[in-house]
Amino acid sequence: AQKVTQAQTEISVVEKEDVTLDCVYETRDTTYYLFWYKQPPSGELVFLIRRNSFDEQNEISGRYSWNFQKSTSSFNFTITASQVVDSAVYFCALSETGSARQLTFGSGTQLTVLP
Amino acid sequence: EADIYQTPRYLVIGTGKKITLECSQTMGHDKMYWYQQDPGMELHLIHYSYGVNSTEKGDLSSESTVSRIRTEHFPLTLESARPSHTSQYLCASSSGEGLADTQYFGPGTRLTVL
Repeated sequence: AQKVTQAQTEISVVEKEDVTLDCVYETRDTTYYLFWYKQPPSGELVFLIRRNSFDEQNEISGRYSWNFQKSTSSFNFTITASQVVDSAVYFCALSETGSARQLTFGSGTQLTVLP
Repeated sequence: EADIYQTPRYLVIGTGKKITLECSQTMGHDKMYWYQQDPGMELHLIHYSYGVNSTEKGDLSSESTVSRIRTEHFPLTLESARPSHTSQYLCASSSGEGLADTQYFGPGTRLTVL
């Protein structure tokens, strides 16, 4: 079973539209961390945010916001007023107890923002 | 943010050649990782290290080998490259903060084996 599910394989929006990338996770732990990474066409993964399981406050950073809901095991990422430079693959990841590898990644969502 | 470097960025090589992909970080991180990423986007952990002289295999079986003789250096070697090794290879490091451990990634090496 997938521990981190990003059901949206590809999303395409027109510039200035808002877009939400979904992330659903599965864990039995009460303490865990969730992450989002961005992978632009250049290839490197860029760390965006880390959130622990005890902090359900929504986070906003400029045009980016994250909605963490333990009740639905989701950690969704919204880009407001999208721009062409937001085009990238976005990965959600989970860090939980007992995972020596530390991070379990979702399969990623390819976001294309059209001018 | 970690400074982590990978060389070469792009490599095109013939079947049977021995190659080493370099990865170095300047943050003094104890943990380092190698991921393989195919065009289908999914990241697969192939090797990781918790420190000098420590190496472990990841979730995806790989014919590559790694070494960790120095904290800052974590090279990956393929003794005999094959077309099936064509992929992107991403190196990462982290400082080891338990569950909060954040991995920082290098720019990747795109390997093509002809």
